Amino acid sequence: KAGVTQTPRYLIKTRGQQVTLSCSPISGHRSVSWYQQTPGQGLQFLFEYFSETQRNKGNFPGRFSGRQFSNSRSEMNVSTLELGDSALYLCASSTIPGMGATNEKLFFGSGTQLSVL
Amino acid sequence: TQLLEQSPQFLSIQEGENLTVYCNSSSVFSSLQWYRQEPGEGPVLLVTVVTGGEVKKLKRLTFQFGDARKDSSLHITAAQPGDTGLYLCAGAGSGAGSYQLTFGKGTKLSVIP
Repeated sequence: KAGVTQTPRYLIKTRGQQVTLSCSPISGHRSVSWYQQTPGQGLQFLFEYFSETQRNKGNFPGRFSGRQFSNSRSEMNVSTLELGDSALYLCASSTIPGMGATNEKLFFGSGTQLSVL
Repeated sequence: TQLLEQSPQFLSIQEGENLTVYCNSSSVFSSLQWYRQEPGEGPVLLVTVVTGGEVKKLKRLTFQFGDARKDSSLHITAAQPGDTGLYLCAGAGSGAGSYQLTFGKGTKLSVIP
């Protein structure tokens, strides 16, 4: 079974631009979560989608948005990029949402390394 | 806001040595997970501990969940170069409606041959 696929692996953008990242979950997984990883802050939760609905959102500005399609694939978008948005963006999938309630396993992709110049 | 503090932040040891990594919080978690992340890759789940006081072993790795479910430790016996990586602990919320994991910032382990 194929793992979580994230594209592209690397991106270089300039300040003010926007970017869209893509995530294909493991077949059969309907929940997709997004995390931002930086050396200073570690992994921080962005949002979680299940059945095309956003179930939960982390503490990030509105420039960060996402969506999920009927085939469970997900995209996240960052508009008006800032230097501080440079990070590894990780997508994780699981069969159902609700990490706190179900202790479900998360499977991570290899991430998209975004550099903002 | 639930926070997880990991210590030490960096650890460099010789092959064959033992080590312990700690994960502490003032909050109670319903479960705690440990991940290992290698450069250029996403985190990979190693273990989930659920019950206070629980101990799980994965070959040379021993994981323990604190009695009060606020802290955890990872002990590696006779470390190998293949153990090198970033070790992350992540806590799942203790109540209904907690749909996210809270991650510690990680312990970067280097095992020198």
